[in-house]
Amino acid sequence: SQTIHQWPATLVQPVGSPLSLECTVEGTSNPNLYWYRQAAGRGLQLLFYSVGIGQISSEVPQNLSASRPQDRQFILSSKKLLLSDSGFYLCASRQGGYGYTFGSGTRLTVV
Amino acid sequence: AQSVSQHNHHVILSEAASLELGCNYSYGGTVNLFWYVQYPGQHLQLLLKYFSGDPLVKGIKGFEAEFIKSKFSFNLRKPSVQWSDTAEYFCAVNWPGTDKLIFGTGTRLQVFP
Repeated sequence: SQTIHQWPATLVQPVGSPLSLECTVEGTSNPNLYWYRQAAGRGLQLLFYSVGIGQISSEVPQNLSASRPQDRQFILSSKKLLLSDSGFYLCASRQGGYGYTFGSGTRLTVV
Repeated sequence: AQSVSQHNHHVILSEAASLELGCNYSYGGTVNLFWYVQYPGQHLQLLLKYFSGDPLVKGIKGFEAEFIKSKFSFNLRKPSVQWSDTAEYFCAVNWPGTDKLIFGTGTRLQVFP
């Protein structure tokens, strides 16, 4: 079965600082990978997804970017954080069938 | 655009009351449907899913959901809720042929003893 590792679990960053959140997947190969953001009262919003190395689809215009340098690695980045980037970020994976596996998430607070 | 709607944002019930949470999706055709639950301080957990077959799906912890294609709906039900059902519930839809799982905004359920 798939396992997703996300780190860090919590992060407090000042406005204007850069961001890098990492997600790695174990137990599968060539998965689809996803970044979601959960903001209060807004549910889970799909930010990016990737069907393969170097392939990134962006769902919403924003201050963030994503990269997939390796098959089982998915990185969420920002050059300059905004207050509105605060939220709970979840990485998810899907490999074959229709099963999705979610990571434990990163709570980002921009101050 | 594909979207998922959960009209109940916050539901408050007493124990033993019946529960029904609404979920509607915007686009017709074949869909894969999911309900997830997030207990306070915990990860997302799959409650149940529908891919095909019997439109009445039974999940864990006594939950069930009914897929009504004509209404584009996949409502979640439980005949008698417990205090331990207090959590946030998310409906999610995947349209086969796309690689995306789209979530609704979630419903916060509070159950009082």
